[in-house]
Amino acid sequence: AQTVTQSQPEMSVQEAETVTLSCTYDTSENNYYLFWYKQPPSRQMILVIRQEAYKQQNATENRFSVNFQKAAKSFSLKISDSQLGDTAMYFCAFMTGNSGNTPLVFGKGTRLSVIA
Amino acid sequence: GAVVSQHPSRVICKSGTSVKIECRSLDFQATTMFWYRQFPKKSLMLMATSNEGSKATYEQGVEKDKFLINHASLTLSTLTVTSAHPEDSSFYICSALQGYSGNTIYFGEGSWLTVV
Repeated sequence: AQTVTQSQPEMSVQEAETVTLSCTYDTSENNYYLFWYKQPPSRQMILVIRQEAYKQQNATENRFSVNFQKAAKSFSLKISDSQLGDTAMYFCAFMTGNSGNTPLVFGKGTRLSVIA
Repeated sequence: GAVVSQHPSRVICKSGTSVKIECRSLDFQATTMFWYRQFPKKSLMLMATSNEGSKATYEQGVEKDKFLINHASLTLSTLTVTSAHPEDSSFYICSALQGYSGNTIYFGEGSWLTVV
């Protein structure tokens, strides 16, 4: 079974600074997808970024980028120029690529606070 | 982007009664939907995988007779909490898979259930 580990329960960062959230996972599969989701106080799950395991290039979405290290099974999220609206829970998630209806497996989350 | 609508967003019911939560994919067909439960300050816990036209697959420890899932059409899955008890009070959130594995999973807004 796949597992996702987020070792930082809480983090804080000053506005405009950069922060990195860590995520490691365990799988024996070679074909899979990794995601970072943001959950603000509204509880809506918002997709931040996604990475296909077969792609070596790290995914980037504006201020958000990942450092995907497949051999190390590491998938960290870097948030640049942090904004107050980035304050939220962040969940790292894994999905197998070998079946059509498998769910996301989530880590326990990291609560990020952006401080003015 | 694709939208998943969940209703109701908040519901209060009396102990012993049943309550139904709906999850609709508004602009795409979802053969697979997932139901999660989230306790305060915790991660999302998968309850069951809902497949259109077939029985749901429940995770270990989830009572299928208590949490009834029906996926009667390609755009609608329902979760019915039967004979609700206060310990069933929680945040329930659904997600729908657009396309096949690896394509994006979209989340509903979630439903707060309070059993009094």
